[in-house]
Amino acid sequence: EVQLVESGGGLVQPGRSLRLSCTASGFTFGDYAMSWVRQAPGKGLEWVGFIRSKAYGGTTEYAASVKGRFTISRDDSKSIAYLQMNSLKTEDTAVYYCTRAPRVVPAAKYYFDYWGQGTLVTVSS
Amino acid sequence: EIVMTQSPATLSVSPGERATLSCRASQSVSSNLAWYQQKPGQAPRLLIYGASTRATGIPARFSGSGSGTEFTLTISSLQSEDFAVYYCQQYNNWPLWTFGQGTKVEIK
Repeated sequence: EVQLVESGGGLVQPGRSLRLSCTASGFTFGDYAMSWVRQAPGKGLEWVGFIRSKAYGGTTEYAASVKGRFTISRDDSKSIAYLQMNSLKTEDTAVYYCTRAPRVVPAAKYYFDYWGQGTLVTVSS
Repeated sequence: EIVMTQSPATLSVSPGERATLSCRASQSVSSNLAWYQQKPGQAPRLLIYGASTRATGIPARFSGSGSGTEFTLTISSLQSEDFAVYYCQQYNNWPLWTFGQGTKVEIK
């Protein structure tokens, strides 16, 4: 059974940093790209960032709203994806979801098939 | 950025009735469209990808159709567990994935 478990959320002051973790099980983690999606309280879904599998370079992509502040990384030996969030703003307050991103062949597109339960990040003074 | 627009914002349906949800893209996304279901306090769950392919374990009462800019999610006979918010998402223009604002399906 595919499972994604996020951790590391909490209350943090504006301008500070926080690192989220996503621990995966039930599949070969290294074979998949991973992504982070967030949802502000009472709002819709917003894609945050993406990391390719090592087979496709392990490179990353970010939404404009977080580019330069957030960094995604992965440790395939531990089946963990990370979201390092720096210079946090009040508008970053949201539940952050980790998702698995299978690659559609031959189109080379990615969608999100499994989601973790989410971890709440609250940015407030 | 491709803007996804869902309608209606809220759909009131009686159990056993058919529900039809719409999603429109601001430019063509081919068939690279997914639908997700989200219940209160839960993570989204993938229902449909490729515009019409049901994800693993999704009941046959859920079906998706469309291509290009117009898409539909149909729930043929609403069950109590289907009352939720539904989101469409395009993945054609990645890495700029975008979601619709959601349609809430509520009990009439």
